[in-house]
Amino acid sequence: SQQGEEDPQALSIQEGENATMNCSYKTSINNLQWYRQNSGRGLVHLILIRSNEREKHSGRLRVTLDTSKKSSSLLITASRAADTASYFCATYSNYQLIWGAGTKLIIKP
Amino acid sequence: SQTIHQWPATLVQPVGSPLSLECTVEGTSNPNLYWYRQAAGRGLQLLFYSVGIGQISSEVPQNLSASRPQDRQFILSSKKLLLSDSGFYLCAWSSTIETQYFGPGTRLLVL
Repeated sequence: SQQGEEDPQALSIQEGENATMNCSYKTSINNLQWYRQNSGRGLVHLILIRSNEREKHSGRLRVTLDTSKKSSSLLITASRAADTASYFCATYSNYQLIWGAGTKLIIKP
Repeated sequence: SQTIHQWPATLVQPVGSPLSLECTVEGTSNPNLYWYRQAAGRGLQLLFYSVGIGQISSEVPQNLSASRPQDRQFILSSKKLLLSDSGFYLCAWSSTIETQYFGPGTRLLVL
């Protein structure tokens, strides 16, 4: 069963704006990961945050993790048309990745 | 560098026909291997994973099976496809128990 739940399910913003996606999960985790999927393609790993970390940055990406609320957020700053994709969170627990349903992000030029 | 291949990219099969999807990994040894299915607009459902040759764990009971005849080869099979088997099938590998790396996927349409 899916553990991670992303919201919103879909997000449409203007190029240059910031995009924020959220992920909630149910059980304790070792780490939480964010992946991107362009339409009809495989998933690409973006960033991993461990359970003892609260915030992590990678380029224009900023991920936060609140283990007390069992939630994470992915912020993409200064969005570009190429950021248009679906974004998935996945929690690592019991030797498996458990996936959310994803947020579909559309960047309007 | 490591690469992962999946084929075919697209497959249209009649109901009741057999299925064989292949996934191979290059540039690493003894990877963990995974088969996922993704319904349109949905998240990933783990079907099978393997930590070594001949070792297959099934996550979802269904008419699909998986085999790992070689260290870097993972095969997804079915003897008789159902309409509900349509979807996007993704193979992934990992060297640690954390980040997974995905192949390009196979889009299967069962008619």
